[in-house]
Amino acid sequence: NAGVTQTPKFQVLKTGQSMTLQCAQDMNHEYMSWYRQDPGMGLRLIHYSVGAGITDQGEVPNGYNVSRSTTEDFPLRLLSAAPSQTSVYFCASISDRDTEAFFGQGTRLTVV
Amino acid sequence: AQSVTQLGSHVSVSEGALVLLRCNYSSSVPPYLFWYVQYPNQGLQLLLKYTSAATLVKGINGFEAEFKKSETSFHLTKPSAHMRDAAEYFCAVSDRGYSTLTFGKGTMLLVSP
Repeated sequence: NAGVTQTPKFQVLKTGQSMTLQCAQDMNHEYMSWYRQDPGMGLRLIHYSVGAGITDQGEVPNGYNVSRSTTEDFPLRLLSAAPSQTSVYFCASISDRDTEAFFGQGTRLTVV
Repeated sequence: AQSVTQLGSHVSVSEGALVLLRCNYSSSVPPYLFWYVQYPNQGLQLLLKYTSAATLVKGINGFEAEFKKSETSFHLTKPSAHMRDAAEYFCAVSDRGYSTLTFGKGTMLLVSP
């Protein structure tokens, strides 16, 4: 049982490049979400999904897109990377039965 | 949306001393509350959670937290700090129909010999 798998673990992008952060879970959870972690800011919600085909914006959605075509996968797309998107990104899935969140190991992204 | 306030971005204790990390929340619905720990360059590990059962919740590594509705608090305690407890601690509350978490800004726990 792998839990939540995030790839890649590290990434360096140039300003203006695009990329997709992958997130997959094997626990059949309905709820999935993306957060970014910045020093002194805690974790802030970017986008979230309550099921396949349903997504919504969180606290800091600008510059990011998501889609949820299957229950298992919830990729995060950076459309045109900016230095302000340098951060650590975490994907999470939540069971709708007991609300416990399971996190991936994170992606450390640097935009130069 | 709900909110979480963690008092003190840094807390310093001596090894063997009591650890108290403060968390206050606001929630328009019965809250589910969580404490996570993050060691340097690692992911988030669940310490404990409150989901409307017992108000005193015991977690891993000797930590516990008490849910106080009247004070809207969920403070984390440990009777005796160890060097290995040095890490960043995050309090979180369920949000958006329990489908996401809202986090506090974190408290860095420093433990000195």
